[in-house]
Amino acid sequence: GAVVSQHPSWVICKSGTSVKIECRSLDFQATTMFWYRQFPKQSLMLMATSNEGSKATYEQGVEKDKFLINHASLTLSTLTVTSAHPEDSSFYICSARAGISNTGELFFGEGSRLTVL
Amino acid sequence: AQSVTQLGSHVSVSEGALVLLRCNYSSSVPPYLFWYVQYPNQGLQLLLKYTSAATLVKGINGFEAEFKKSETSFHLTKPSAHMRDAAEYFCAVSRSSNTGKLIFGQGTTLQVKP
Repeated sequence: GAVVSQHPSWVICKSGTSVKIECRSLDFQATTMFWYRQFPKQSLMLMATSNEGSKATYEQGVEKDKFLINHASLTLSTLTVTSAHPEDSSFYICSARAGISNTGELFFGEGSRLTVL
Repeated sequence: AQSVTQLGSHVSVSEGALVLLRCNYSSSVPPYLFWYVQYPNQGLQLLLKYTSAATLVKGINGFEAEFKKSETSFHLTKPSAHMRDAAEYFCAVSRSSNTGKLIFGQGTTLQVKP
């Protein structure tokens, strides 16, 4: 099946620094990508929808200035956690939707674990 | 609003035994329901989905799920567990066929004992 890759798979950073996580669709083009956040023993929560060439759409309660999303190409979306704090420590998962239809299958990345000290 | 509850964060079965992972949903509109599996160090993979066609949905790897509106359930089953089925399973609901707007359950870890 289609492959979505996230990088880095894990990262540790100091409080106050910014961290960038990449999400790449390796063998297909994705006009739409999604970013999820998962706390331990909790479900995945949709943070934002990333559309190629336009601004991301954020879910209610997600700070757009805190979580910067850029979808500059059809195969790459990035999530930047700005001025990270310990409460931002979490597992961040991206998914990419194949095709242009909003009913296309989603392909998920392996996730990126962020630990903020 | 929509929500999903997976009963049992951890399920353990013996190899060859029936697998039953429970999922109940809440939705004010006809739901679209999904089951995903996550193997260690891999992304989520779609097992099957219900989109208002047949209530019994067959998926990959021998899994199937039955949509029961009266019980607001979408339990996942497999007649005979294999060691390779050990993974994390997520149930998800969407208010439309838009596959991106998913609300996930907390996940259930399936352990398969030899």
